[in-house]
Amino acid sequence: AQSVAQPEDQVNVAEGNPLTVKCTYSVSGNPYLFWYVQYPNRGLQFLLKYITGDNLVKGSYGFEAEFNKSQTSFHLKKPSALVSDSALYFCAVRDIPLTGGSYIPTFGRGTSLIVHP
Amino acid sequence: GAVVSQHPSWVICKSGTSVKIECRSLDFQATTMFWYRQFPKQSLMLMATSNEGSKATYEQGVEKDKFLINHASLTLSTLTVTSAHPEDSSFYICSARDRRTSGYNEQFFGPGTRLTVL
Repeated sequence: AQSVAQPEDQVNVAEGNPLTVKCTYSVSGNPYLFWYVQYPNRGLQFLLKYITGDNLVKGSYGFEAEFNKSQTSFHLKKPSALVSDSALYFCAVRDIPLTGGSYIPTFGRGTSLIVHP
Repeated sequence: GAVVSQHPSWVICKSGTSVKIECRSLDFQATTMFWYRQFPKQSLMLMATSNEGSKATYEQGVEKDKFLINHASLTLSTLTVTSAHPEDSSFYICSARDRRTSGYNEQFFGPGTRLTVL
């Protein structure tokens, strides 16, 4: 079974400061991990994904995420936050077990990022 | 590339009427489309998975007769909310997987449809 947790409902950060949005996951096999961003009354936009390879994944709008297998985490980060980064962020995981498995990812409940001027 | 559109973007209807929402992949063929429902400040709830040319697979607790899904072509899926009631008011989002890279690729999401039932 696959599951994903975003432990923070809301993250507040001042503009120019680094930001981190946390995500942990649970899978039986290997994970495919995704981050999406949602602006008010809009659909989700893809930010980045981890499939294999380098643990540090770089994505859109200056975001990056680090895959940590031992801690089963995939935290989203940005070195310097912008007010325009304020949005709802979703982490998603898809389990790739040795046999069978679903190709449908599970989404976290979302974390609201608020960047203060 | 990989653009998904939804129509309408918002709709207001009277209780008891039916509403159809269209989801189109504009520049790719989608073997599979997904329909989600999202309540305010909550995550996406997968309602059903729609495969072109076959019946949709509904998640547990989702009424098939109330939420009719048709995936008539590789670029179009429709969700019809039949006999809508105020509790059906929500934000409905579709997504699609590209036929060419369906092994592990991310889903491409539509902009969503805000349904308000009076």
